Amino acid sequence: GQQVMQIPQYQHVQEGEDFTTYCNSSTTLSNIQWYKQRPGGHPVFLIQLVKSGEVKKQKRLTFQFGEAKKNSSLHITATQTTDVGTYFCAGEVAGANSKLTFGKGITLSVRP
Amino acid sequence: NAGVTQTPKFQVLKTGQSMTLQCAQDMNHEYMSWYRQDPGMGLRLIHYSVGAGITDQGEVPNGYNVSRSTTEDFPLRLLSAAPSQTSVYFCASSNTWEVNTEAFFGQGTRLTVV
Repeated sequence: GQQVMQIPQYQHVQEGEDFTTYCNSSTTLSNIQWYKQRPGGHPVFLIQLVKSGEVKKQKRLTFQFGEAKKNSSLHITATQTTDVGTYFCAGEVAGANSKLTFGKGITLSVRP
Repeated sequence: NAGVTQTPKFQVLKTGQSMTLQCAQDMNHEYMSWYRQDPGMGLRLIHYSVGAGITDQGEVPNGYNVSRSTTEDFPLRLLSAAPSQTSVYFCASSNTWEVNTEAFFGQGTRLTVV
């Protein structure tokens, strides 16, 4: 079956450092989505990427969809303590009727 | 507009008991799903539904039943609770008719089976 991989599962950074994480799918995706879950909370939608090579920015967060639509990246510039949480990518395959396959997530901690 | 509402937020069950986790959405979404979240395992799909009267199994369906009699509600039933079902359960919904298929999650149910 379809797999979405996020490695590593944990990363620790110093406040102010940049942070990049990657997401890889075993199959070509129709779109990829990113979610953030704060400790004790529920996943919250951040962004959806649909087009090959697409790049979207949200303030200090930059999301990219690979040319082959099988991988994606999330880059955070100058991390802040408010960036703490678990970031999940989720892939949707064409014709899957909104069914998402989630990666295991990466938990980011930020040292002040 | 309440979004996705899950009840209860916390539950403790004894092994062998049954219970139903409730999920309701008021966004007229066709797609609804249940996930369980365990440490280091991410979000694993239990069951999902693409509309009223239609359900299908996800990655980890054993021990769980679902039904979808209305667009709004998608309850998850534990038939005979086991300690391995101790987890955090999330219900989510999304539309299937737009390009943006963002999933909206409920607040979660923290279930402990003793």
